[in-house]
Amino acid sequence: QLHLQESGPGLVKPSETLSLTCNVSGASISSSFHYWGWIRQAPGKGLEWIGCIYSTGSTYYNPSLKSRVTISVDTSGDRLSLSLHSAIAADTALYYCARSVYGSWRYLVHWGQGTMVSVSS
Amino acid sequence: EMVMTQSPATLSESPGERATLSCRASQSINTNLAWYQQKPGQAPRLLIYGASTRATDIPARFSGSGSGTEFTLTISGLQSEDFAFYYCQEYNNWPFITFGQGTRLEIK
Repeated sequence: QLHLQESGPGLVKPSETLSLTCNVSGASISSSFHYWGWIRQAPGKGLEWIGCIYSTGSTYYNPSLKSRVTISVDTSGDRLSLSLHSAIAADTALYYCARSVYGSWRYLVHWGQGTMVSVSS
Repeated sequence: EMVMTQSPATLSESPGERATLSCRASQSINTNLAWYQQKPGQAPRLLIYGASTRATDIPARFSGSGSGTEFTLTISGLQSEDFAFYYCQEYNNWPFITFGQGTRLEIK
């Protein structure tokens, strides 16, 4: 059974890099014909797509965040990573990792429980 | 830029009644729409995709309809566990996807 578990520092200072990891169990990221990605939810707000990566390594980012985001995969450990550079207060949110339906990043079938990150000095 | 607008922001209904939630796309997305349910402290759960196809293990009281720019999620015979937040999400130009801002379904 697929399980996604996000982890991160909890608190990041403005202008620093927000770095999160999603540990995947029950499936192999590299051999999976799925897309894996990140979505965030600011306190009391809706969902915002951050970006995603395919098993081939191709990445796609929300245009509003593209200049600051890097998503990568550590296939040896089946880990998905998110780096958000030059963090600002507006990046304070609950960050989810997710896996799409087979073969395309259309709708998201599996989600982690999320990890909260606050950006504050 | 695609904008998804959900209405109303909050919907108050009684258990046993029918709830109708709306989602409008700023441009046509055919039937490339999904609905999610989110309860406090939980991750979103996929309910509907393709505008009208229920996801695995989703009860039949949840139904979706619409195409183009206007979509509806209907929940018939509301049960206590249905009171939650609901989000629509378009994927017409995937992998670039956009969520609506959500509708809170509360007990009347």
